[in-house]
Amino acid sequence: NAGVMQNPRHLVRRRGQEARLRCSPMKGHSHVYWYRQLPEEGLKFMVYLQKENIIDESGMPKERFSAEFPKEGPSILRIQQVVRGDSAAYFCASSPPELMNTEAFFGQGTRLTVV
Amino acid sequence: QQQVKQSPQSLIVQKGGISIINCAYENTAFDYFPWYQQFPGKGPALLIAIRPDVSEKKEGRFTISFNKSAKQFSLHIMDSQPGDSATYFCAASYSGYSTLTFGKGTMLLVSP
Repeated sequence: NAGVMQNPRHLVRRRGQEARLRCSPMKGHSHVYWYRQLPEEGLKFMVYLQKENIIDESGMPKERFSAEFPKEGPSILRIQQVVRGDSAAYFCASSPPELMNTEAFFGQGTRLTVV
Repeated sequence: QQQVKQSPQSLIVQKGGISIINCAYENTAFDYFPWYQQFPGKGPALLIAIRPDVSEKKEGRFTISFNKSAKQFSLHIMDSQPGDSATYFCAASYSGYSTLTFGKGTMLLVSP
């Protein structure tokens, strides 16, 4: 059973471009969470999704950021018109519905660098 | 407002020693307290977790101590090994709500 898969592992974007980060949850997991990690900071919650539904996006900036988890395919975190402050590691985690927060498995992250 | 405060920021321990990392929380609704271990370039991995109905949980060399009245919990790593060198994060959440609130992390270095 493959773990949580994130791609790309590293992404370089110029200011103003769009960044698309993908997350395939573990098999059987229908809950996906995105977190952002800035240097020397803990992980900050961004958004919680279930299939085709955004459950909680209270941690996501109101502008330029969006997330989706379609019925088929990976979850996507999209950042439009990236700025240098968006440079960070973005982690996705998934859990099965019956365990919710008790077994959140994290992917290896996507390290976004904005130049 | 930071809801989970973690200390120290960094820690150096000699091989065979005990590593202790502390966390304090503010939200009394929290009822699930996991610890994550993260190696450079990797994602966090669940290490051990505790709920408030017990004051201590032990798994191998790792022990969580929990003090509900003080709203504090700590991770003890016994017989610390160089392979334990990593960043450790405490976190908290509450029943019915899946997202985790993380501390800022402790960078542990175990010297040979």
